[in-house]
Amino acid sequence: DGGITQSPKYLFRKEGQNVTLSCEQNLNHDAMYWYRQDPGQGLRLIYYSQIVNDFQKGDIAEGYSVSREKKESFPLTVTSAQKNPTAFYLCASSPGPSSGNTIYFGEGSWLTVV
Amino acid sequence: AQSVTQLGSHVSVSEGALVLLRCNYSSSVPPYLFWYVQYPNQGLQLLLKYTSAATLVKGINGFEAEFKKSETSFHLTKPSAHMSDAAEYFCAVSDRYGGATNKLIFGTGTLLAVQP
Repeated sequence: DGGITQSPKYLFRKEGQNVTLSCEQNLNHDAMYWYRQDPGQGLRLIYYSQIVNDFQKGDIAEGYSVSREKKESFPLTVTSAQKNPTAFYLCASSPGPSSGNTIYFGEGSWLTVV
Repeated sequence: AQSVTQLGSHVSVSEGALVLLRCNYSSSVPPYLFWYVQYPNQGLQLLLKYTSAATLVKGINGFEAEFKKSETSFHLTKPSAHMSDAAEYFCAVSDRYGGATNKLIFGTGTLLAVQP
């Protein structure tokens, strides 16, 4: 089935560690996104990519990094510079303007600092 | 800049009652508008979207929303609530023009509780 797969579902990070969240899509979508969700704050955009080998910072990019080496993959690294990384992370993709910029989400990944 | 406001972070209705979740947007031209639903511990699922001429948009699970330009609103309704409708609902807006650089801007969400 076509969709967006995020892994792992749950991840624990120790202080000072970098961790990487995986996001893979087989929808042949050009654009991919990473959002962070905290209770009461809705979704905030971390990074997005409109095309392979290109990506832009969103509203809260500090302490995060991404790569887009393949169309179907958009991994997010949470670095030790991110001081409050505990949150629910959502990956999404979109076919682009032809769909009215509709985006489709994965099931999310929980990251907890221990 | 585009923005979207959801009035009421928590809404509670009785099973069988009307559901009304409010969303107002700020945009100089009619944007694309979306409603998403999120069940606990899951990603967001698209309920419906407004992208063209039809101002009344029907979505999944019996929900619908009406685009009202004069009120800059896109409220979500369902005639009769079901227990399974309990979830968090997000309104989102995207600029109609600007091509591939457009992004969705989300509201802060409304948590819907359905009482038996």
